[in-house]
Amino acid sequence: GAGVSQSPSNKVTEKGKDVELRCDPISGHTALYWYRQSLGQGLEFLIYFQGNSAPDKSGLPSDRFSAERTGGSVSTLTIQRTQQEDSAVYLCASSLGRQGPPGDNEQFFGPGTRLTVL
Amino acid sequence: KQEVTQIPAALSVPEGENLVLNCSFTDSAIYNLQWFRQDPGKGLTSLLLIQSSQREQTSGRLNASLDKSSGRSTLYIAASQPGDSATYLCAVGSIFSGGGADGLTFGKGTHLIIQP
Repeated sequence: GAGVSQSPSNKVTEKGKDVELRCDPISGHTALYWYRQSLGQGLEFLIYFQGNSAPDKSGLPSDRFSAERTGGSVSTLTIQRTQQEDSAVYLCASSLGRQGPPGDNEQFFGPGTRLTVL
Repeated sequence: KQEVTQIPAALSVPEGENLVLNCSFTDSAIYNLQWFRQDPGKGLTSLLLIQSSQREQTSGRLNASLDKSSGRSTLYIAASQPGDSATYLCAVGSIFSGGGADGLTFGKGTHLIIQP
């Protein structure tokens, strides 16, 4: 079946603009995750959804970042008033989440959205 | 706070060699550990997942082990090939208070080059 898809694949924006990044998880996966990979940095966990709810938003870098998930499927990550330090690859992953045993929660990643803030 | 370290940061070996990549983590309260590969400009491909109750997993030429008590995992690649060249990432799934698992904590990766 289809894997995790993300759009757009590349986004160039000007400082101060808002951007929306989209993630479409694997069908049937109830858990969805957003990560950020900055140049020279490791992968940083941002937020996790189980169904439509996000139990912990503390991983979001600032209050300019928000995420939502509706219908237990597609998620959008929104960055308001973008800054140059927001430039990174934003990766989305999905998994079975709490449907399966806690240890068997393999995450599958999408190709990412490369965001460049000029 | 969970921290994951991978050693070495980079490795270059001739084709055909067997090699070991190392991963260590600071908090043993984990659900699982996952190994990924990342090719330049691409997303992550899951290679192996080891549940916290397991000691190892195998897939083809890859074997991953987990020693939760010492906070270590190794990824063994047998008979390396040029197509194995990529960055290998170790990631730990930590206990989430409500059950299930929240985000993975990643190491910075081992950049592997297999020379033809």
